Amino acid sequence: SQKIEQNSEALNIQEGKTATLTCNYTNYSPAYLQWYRQDPGRGPVFLLLIRENEKEKRKERLKVTFDTTLKQSLFHITASQPADSATYLCALDGGYSTLTFGKGTMLLVSP
Amino acid sequence: DTGVSQDPRHKITKRGQNVTFRCDPISEHNRLYWYRQTLGQGPEFLTYFQNEAQLEKSRLLSDRFSAERPKGSFSTLEIQRTEQGDSAMYLCASSLRGAGYSDGYTFGSGTRLTVV
Repeated sequence: SQKIEQNSEALNIQEGKTATLTCNYTNYSPAYLQWYRQDPGRGPVFLLLIRENEKEKRKERLKVTFDTTLKQSLFHITASQPADSATYLCALDGGYSTLTFGKGTMLLVSP
Repeated sequence: DTGVSQDPRHKITKRGQNVTFRCDPISEHNRLYWYRQTLGQGPEFLTYFQNEAQLEKSRLLSDRFSAERPKGSFSTLEIQRTEQGDSAMYLCASSLRGAGYSDGYTFGSGTRLTVV
């Protein structure tokens, strides 16, 4: 069956460093992949979309890569700040214009 | 436009009662989605509307759940005969185009349901 895996353990990093989060998937050939940020008690907020024919996408301090051979996406936040602390969700093409989400990885950036 | 609105924000109900949640999407968005999220999990797809038509429904969705989107504007999600396992955050999202476009979904802040 289709499976999306994100690190269940929180990622702790120091302010100013680059955070790298991983999304792996199996039994899937998604046409696109999205990343969302979620703060406690709030709905997810869309960050970036990357398509299967794109290797890399950037937006300000964010960078996403998509390797369809490895079945993996990496999400990078450069020059991280405490305000970047949140849970980050990857979401894959679920068919019929819907998304299938991973469990998310919590990022904690300490000053 | 203030984004996607959901009402109520919190609902506590006794097991066996019926509950109804409302979602007001961004006005120009013709696509509307309901998701459910439990603690430590990602959002789980429930159902999808394009305008007033319900185009997709999760196979895991119990027949106690029903959703409507009359006139293609706001949507309601009803849960009949609630069970403790229904306790979760119910999220509504809307989009102008399908999920494969670079504007993504806009989510509301959710309705937290607690069944006691």
